[in-house]
Amino acid sequence: EVQLVESGGGLVQPGRSLKLSCVASGFTFSNYGMNWIRQAPGKGLEWVAYISSGSSYIYYAETVKGRFTISRDNAKNTLYLQMTSLRSEDTALYYCARGDGYDLFDYWGQGVMVTVSS
Amino acid sequence: DIQMTQSPSSMSASLGDRVTITCRASQDIGNYLSWFQQKPGKSPRRMIYGATNLAAGVPSRFSGSRSGSDYSLTISSLESEDMAIYYCLQSIQYPYTFGAGTKLELK
Repeated sequence: EVQLVESGGGLVQPGRSLKLSCVASGFTFSNYGMNWIRQAPGKGLEWVAYISSGSSYIYYAETVKGRFTISRDNAKNTLYLQMTSLRSEDTALYYCARGDGYDLFDYWGQGVMVTVSS
Repeated sequence: DIQMTQSPSSMSASLGDRVTITCRASQDIGNYLSWFQQKPGKSPRRMIYGATNLAAGVPSRFSGSRSGSDYSLTISSLESEDMAIYYCLQSIQYPYTFGAGTKLELK
């Protein structure tokens, strides 16, 4: 059974940092590109970042470029999102989801909440 | 960036109704269009990918179609479990972009 389990969220002050993790199981993690997607409270879905299976290709939304870093450890089946210089508008539920291109986002994690507030 | 204009933003329908939700892409996205269903407190669920392909486990009353730059999700006969918010997504070009969502409610 495919599972994606996020962790690392919490309450953080503006300007501080936080690192999210997404542990994958039930599939060959190293074969798939992976993504972070977020959803602010009561709002729609926003794609945040992508990393290819071998980490060669990385893309970010303009809203997080220069502040967030996506990475992965294929040996640990884990996807990461390092978030720095956090702002109140980064407050959201963060999901990891697998895939890219034509056939993607077939599996999502349960989400992890990040709240940026003083 | 590619803009996805989704309509309507909300709608109410009766059980058994045929319901159609549409997304219009600001640029050519081919068939790189997916539809997702999200219920309160739940993660999104993929319903359609490649514009017309039914995702695994999705009931056959759901279908996707394309007419030019307009993409549609149709529910042929609405059931109570279909009440949710639906989002489209283009995945031909980064940044991937979602539509703003359609909230489907029971009349």
